[in-house]
Amino acid sequence: DADVTQTPRNRITKTGKRIMLECSQTKGHDRMYWYRQDPGLGLRLIYYSFDVKDINKGEISDGYSVSRQAQAKFSLSLESAIPNQTALYFCATSDAGSWGSNYGYTFGSGTRLTVV
Amino acid sequence: DQQVKQNSPSLSVQEGRISILNCDYTNSMFDYFLWYKKYPAEGPTFLISISSIKDKNEDGRFTVFLNKSAKHLSLHIVPSQPGDSAVYFCAASDRTSYDKVIFGPGTSLSVIP
Repeated sequence: DADVTQTPRNRITKTGKRIMLECSQTKGHDRMYWYRQDPGLGLRLIYYSFDVKDINKGEISDGYSVSRQAQAKFSLSLESAIPNQTALYFCATSDAGSWGSNYGYTFGSGTRLTVV
Repeated sequence: DQQVKQNSPSLSVQEGRISILNCDYTNSMFDYFLWYKKYPAEGPTFLISISSIKDKNEDGRFTVFLNKSAKHLSLHIVPSQPGDSAVYFCAASDRTSYDKVIFGPGTSLSVIP
């Protein structure tokens, strides 16, 4: 099984619908992140969480919300989806002790979301 | 304004030759830099990193060079192999927020057999 699992892998939804993207990890990492990838813009941070009771906004949090249900689970919600939220979404984890040990982030395989 | 820039969206290199991917940054607070590699339909994977106290880090065929005065780093792949064909993201963080990494837009490398 993958260390970081994202569901669904692909999703098409209509404008105005609520949608949730889920992420679970078996790495035992305390820190989890949601990024979106757009062509020419790289990966941009949406939200991050350093533990279950800690939620922080990233650079592009408007229109999104998150929930850290457990150390291993971090979900991203679009309350009312709009077409410019069409993107590739990645969940990532890191270990507070890993920086400096060249480990960085562990990413999931991504969720391709299309809002029509 | 992007803090991490990769001005070449794509690069093609012959197998066996050197690939050089460039990255520039604007934030002088950045002190830790990473390169990630991404294949289609997969998430990015960590490739190599460098701390600002160094100017070079090497791992097998991959070497990253850091020029702090120019705010520039580069990734060298020698020799390039077809399996290296992927998108490469440059990323940076600073000591005040090591876990908030800023990514560049990526460079798509094609290694031609």
